[in-house]
Amino acid sequence: AQKITQTQPGMFVQEKEAVTLDCTYDTSDPSYGLFWYKQPSSGEMIFLIYQGSYDQQNATEGRYSLNFQKARKSANLVISASQLGDSAMYFCAMRELGGSYIPTFGRGTSLIVHP
Amino acid sequence: DADVTQTPRNRITKTGKRIMLECSQTKGHDRMYWYRQDPGLGLRLIYYSFDVKDINKGEISDGYSVSRQAQAKFSLSLESAIPNQTALYFCATSDESPYEQYFGPGTRLTVT
Repeated sequence: AQKITQTQPGMFVQEKEAVTLDCTYDTSDPSYGLFWYKQPSSGEMIFLIYQGSYDQQNATEGRYSLNFQKARKSANLVISASQLGDSAMYFCAMRELGGSYIPTFGRGTSLIVHP
Repeated sequence: DADVTQTPRNRITKTGKRIMLECSQTKGHDRMYWYRQDPGLGLRLIYYSFDVKDINKGEISDGYSVSRQAQAKFSLSLESAIPNQTALYFCATSDESPYEQYFGPGTRLTVT
């Protein structure tokens, strides 16, 4: 069974609007970390944001925030004030800290920002 | 200079050929990983290494082998390349704390 599920293969947003990219996860480990990465068309993987399972507050990094709902096992990425340069693939990943520490990635969501 | 480098960046090879992809890092991390990316499938783990003497198979290790020559170097080999190994390959490193992985720029491999 997939441990990380990204249900949106593609998303579209108007420039300057906010967009939410969905991510749900499955784990029985009480200690884990959640990550989001961005992959622009040039191909490199860029780390965006991290949320630990024991963190009390949602993580934020500039225009990126992680809407962490532990009971629902969701870790949605919110991008505020979208820019054309936000057009990219976005990957959610999880690392279980009680096990092998090996991250598992979702299949990704393609985001296109329209002017 | 980039913290994680991969060579070559692009490679076209023929079915049956042996090919090696190389990864070097200056992060000082013990943990290194090889992933492949195929459209619609995300990143899938091929092999990982927690130190020079510790090498482990990932979910899709068949047809691949690795060598950890030093803390900073981790190579991936395709002993006899086949067309369905055409993909984008990433090397990554991480430290022991539960933080992010640092990725190389990727190697685009085409097997004809």
